[in-house]
Amino acid sequence: TAGITQAPTSQILAAGRSMTLRCTQDMRHNAMYWYRQDLGLGLRLIHYSNTAGTTGKGEVPDGYSVSRANTDDFPLTLASAVPSQTSVYFCASSDADGSDEQFFGPGTRLTVL
Amino acid sequence: GQNIDQPTEMTATEGAIVQINCTYQTSGFNGLFWYQQHAGEAPTFLSYNVLDGLEEKGRFSSFLSRSKGYSYLLLKELQMKDSASYLCAVRDSNYQLIWGAGTKLIIKP
Repeated sequence: TAGITQAPTSQILAAGRSMTLRCTQDMRHNAMYWYRQDLGLGLRLIHYSNTAGTTGKGEVPDGYSVSRANTDDFPLTLASAVPSQTSVYFCASSDADGSDEQFFGPGTRLTVL
Repeated sequence: GQNIDQPTEMTATEGAIVQINCTYQTSGFNGLFWYQQHAGEAPTFLSYNVLDGLEEKGRFSSFLSRSKGYSYLLLKELQMKDSASYLCAVRDSNYQLIWGAGTKLIIKP
């Protein structure tokens, strides 16, 4: 079982460009999440989805959008990247609406120049 | 506001015991999680406490006191592979996880 996969592993992006970070899980989990992790700070929730077809805003949603067309995929889009979006992005999933432990993907390291 | 506090860094010796503390102030409480994160890798689940007391799982134990807003992770018989960051997270009233910044644990031979 692959669990959760993310792509790309890393990316350097010019400011102003758009980009979609991909996340796919094969555990049939209902809930999925996008976090960013910055040095000295805890993981911060960007967006989440409790079930296919629904999404919600987390702590730091500005500049990001998500969609949840099906159970397995939860892409994160940066419409117009800015240097402050340089971070490591983790996708995670859990079995129910946040009631269980979260399983994390390997992360995407994004640098915006 | 919501706040999770844990020490930034700790050092311990191989074979010894170390206790990593976590204090929290959140809007509601629906459980506390500990995760381990090795450098450059994803966090992985270690333990979950929702009731007061000690939960033991092999060399790792986690304690919770809801009245004090306090938890600790106890690691026994430390091994070099335990060198990692340990993340404390509290599930709030919206069932979202609020994360501490993590404690980097350095194990010395």
